[in-house]
Amino acid sequence: DTGVSQDPRHKITKRGQNVTFRCDPISEHNRLYWYRQTLGQGPEFLTYFQNEAQLEKSRLLSDRFSAERPKGSFSTLEIQRTEQGDSAMYLCASSHRQGRDYGYTFGSGTRLTVV
Amino acid sequence: TQLLEQSPQFLSIQEGENLTVYCNSSSVFSSLQWYRQEPGEGPVLLVTVVTGGEVKKLKRLTFQFGDARKDSSLHITAAQPGDTGLYLCAGSNTGNQFYFGTGTSLTVIP
Repeated sequence: DTGVSQDPRHKITKRGQNVTFRCDPISEHNRLYWYRQTLGQGPEFLTYFQNEAQLEKSRLLSDRFSAERPKGSFSTLEIQRTEQGDSAMYLCASSHRQGRDYGYTFGSGTRLTVV
Repeated sequence: TQLLEQSPQFLSIQEGENLTVYCNSSSVFSSLQWYRQEPGEGPVLLVTVVTGGEVKKLKRLTFQFGDARKDSSLHITAAQPGDTGLYLCAGSNTGNQFYFGTGTSLTVIP
């Protein structure tokens, strides 16, 4: 168990470009979450998967954002036509059951800078 | 929308001092969690509380969930420089997603 891995750690892109981030959760965890965190704020929920099914999406997740979790293992988050407001830390977390009694294990995040 | 308010927003204290940070909401949560986050890293879970009035201790850290399950506090005894970080509370009703507060940034000066 190597924890939750995110790749890349840092990404600088020009406005209008597409970017894709990857998250590898803890292998036995069936739930996977994406959060976004801007400077001085707590993480904001974007979406979550149970196995390969995307069960909930935040209104923050505009149509430029898409997330997938093929085969219920790793997940990708793609942002199309990036804007400067997309600059943030994108955090992935996983858990192995409904989160009432068990917290998330977070990855180290992908820091996105849109210039 | 941030449903959880944390106070203070910033706290700077000397090593050895005690401190308390607060997490308040107008909403009732079925569970509440506390995390600590260091710069450039993801949050790390410290504790989960699920019962109103529950108190949990983790070494020098004491966590309490309010009787009405709308608020929580974190008390640190004899703070050490290693306690420095951003403390986040997060509440959930469904367990499907947690709403995070804005955090308390703690600096412990040696």
